[in-house]
Amino acid sequence: AQKITQTQPGMFVQEKEAVTLDCTYDTSDQSYGLFWYKQPSSGEMIFLIYQGSYDEQNATEGRYSLNFQKARKSANLVISASQLGDSAMYFCAMREPRGSARQLTFGSGTQLTVLP
Amino acid sequence: DGGITQSPKYLFRKEGQNVTLSCEQNLNHDAMYWYRQDPGQGLRLIYYSQIVNDFQKGDIAEGYSVSREKKESFPLTVTSAQKNPTAFYLCASSILGQNGYTFGSGTRLTVV
Repeated sequence: AQKITQTQPGMFVQEKEAVTLDCTYDTSDQSYGLFWYKQPSSGEMIFLIYQGSYDEQNATEGRYSLNFQKARKSANLVISASQLGDSAMYFCAMREPRGSARQLTFGSGTQLTVLP
Repeated sequence: DGGITQSPKYLFRKEGQNVTLSCEQNLNHDAMYWYRQDPGQGLRLIYYSQIVNDFQKGDIAEGYSVSREKKESFPLTVTSAQKNPTAFYLCASSILGQNGYTFGSGTRLTVV
């Protein structure tokens, strides 16, 4: 069963505007973590933001914020004031206990293109 | 500077050959992971290791093997049993119990 769902294969946004990338997740654990990563065309995975399941405040990191709605099991990424350099693939991931280890499970990603 | 080094960046393999991808970290991280990424898709876990001389299968371990003889190193061997090995392979590491994961820059494997 799909644990992380990203329903937007591709998104376009005008430079300087805000954009929301959707992510829903499925878990029966009470303790879990949600991550967003950016993957430019070069391939490296760049960590953007983290939200713990017990965190009451939505996480923010500079122009990135995470809209965490626990009851809906959604963890959407909001990028404010988009820049051309934000064009990349964006992945939502969940860390949950699996046996004695903690693993990251990734969604299929959203390709974001920022238009000048 | 601390980080993860994956080599080579590009790798070509003939069908039927085994090939080993290197992953080295100098972050003193306990855990290391191998992920596979196919075009337009997310990452899938192949193998992971929490301590030296111990490793566990991930979701798609068939056709792959690993070793963890040193804390710093976690090489991945793609064997001839892997039916469709052409993909982008990413190595990652983390400190057990913490949330940060560090990724390498990846190896792109192509079977010719």
